[in-house]
Amino acid sequence: DAKTTQPPSMDCAEGRAANLPCNHSTISGNEYVYWYRQIHSQGPQYIIHGLKNNETNEMASLIITEDRKSSTLILPHATLRDTAVYYCIVRELTQGGSEKLVFGKGTKLTVNP
Amino acid sequence: GAGVSQSPRYKVAKRGQDVALRCDPISGHVSLFWYQQALGQGPEFLTYFQNEAQLDKSGLPSDRFFAERPEGSVSTLKIQRTQQEDSAVYLCASSLWSGSSYEQYFGPGTRLTVT
Repeated sequence: DAKTTQPPSMDCAEGRAANLPCNHSTISGNEYVYWYRQIHSQGPQYIIHGLKNNETNEMASLIITEDRKSSTLILPHATLRDTAVYYCIVRELTQGGSEKLVFGKGTKLTVNP
Repeated sequence: GAGVSQSPRYKVAKRGQDVALRCDPISGHVSLFWYQQALGQGPEFLTYFQNEAQLDKSGLPSDRFFAERPEGSVSTLKIQRTQQEDSAVYLCASSLWSGSSYEQYFGPGTRLTVT
């Protein structure tokens, strides 16, 4: 089972910031938080990941709380093309060296004109 | 540069047929993953390769599913005697190296429909 919980859906106005929350209260100290998004009929697209510190790249910012039990993905100026399902994932390491991603149901973000 | 490619993009199979799905990872990527995505659900892990070694196949749903990566680059997912419940999108992903700090890059997927 996924180790994260996300709201099933959110709406955002075009041009405004989209803030997508994620809870991961059972995260271990060496587990990363990853965010992916999936636009209809495409493969998941990597957005950003982090361990402890806040991270920013050309797509988004990731804010991780000090206790690491939750995080927020921020899309600073949402566009219609940002409409997608956003997945927050705790990167699990398993015995034998596998590093699978465990996807939950994600948040369906709809950006409205 | 070129991303992960998969072929075919769409496959229709009659129940009982065997199918083979191909994945071309990003050149030089050591790790390769297969996922299955049913309609309306998030992707679910099937199997993982590090170079040619299959290190985890815990997600393969039955012994009808088989994956290989003989030369450590291209991978093939084979499904024997397909059944209707095998209908899904099959996603391949690769990452540069192993380790949780390396992101996985996904291909567009192969949509399999079993009739």
